[in-house]
Amino acid sequence: DAGITQSPRHKVTETGTPVTLRCHQTENHRYMYWYRQDPGHGLRLIHYSYGVKDTDKGEVSDGYSVSRSKTEDFLLTLESATSSQTSVYFCAISLIGPQSVDGYTFGSGTRLTVV
Amino acid sequence: SQQGEEDPQALSIQEGENATMNCSYKTSINNLQWYRQNSGRGLVHLILIRSNEREKHSGRLRVTLDTSKKSSSLLITASRAADTASYFCATNNQAGTALIFGKGTTLSVSS
Repeated sequence: DAGITQSPRHKVTETGTPVTLRCHQTENHRYMYWYRQDPGHGLRLIHYSYGVKDTDKGEVSDGYSVSRSKTEDFLLTLESATSSQTSVYFCAISLIGPQSVDGYTFGSGTRLTVV
Repeated sequence: SQQGEEDPQALSIQEGENATMNCSYKTSINNLQWYRQNSGRGLVHLILIRSNEREKHSGRLRVTLDTSKKSSSLLITASRAADTASYFCATNNQAGTALIFGKGTTLSVSS
């Protein structure tokens, strides 16, 4: 989607290895979010950021950490990947958060497979 | 836990028919939003309705909100094959800091 890119688009990794997913935006939006999408669960919030170095946990944060050292980049790290973390990961951005009349803008997703 | 829950889980209609999907939520909200997701793509924002609004229109979309019943509906009129997608409702979490999404309704429109 325009202004937001996720990398990599696909990744296969082995159980126990660390993995970092990147979300990059060119919109200068303050808020950034990481969600995972799984069949039967919809989208679940992992972590979010409301500014540089300001982050908070979502509903499924165990096993994940995040960092935001620059406005444009929000990194999601799986510290030691497990098969239960096989999922599609979406990054989203927003200018002013959940109140924004324009809603969130989502990236195209990263499909992660842990074998 | 999920804040919003869509109903039905799946809906199949013919082109030209109207499609209605519903969303129920649990706690007080500031606004409710609807998103569309085409297969293999990210979500796209469709419409936002504030807690003090009862109905909102955008093109072929009509959204209603009943805060007394904690429910919303999304109506797509004169459906087209291109409307085939999953539709999600989203509301703010209790802290008001992020959106929480439902599990979605999968709409199939056949020509």
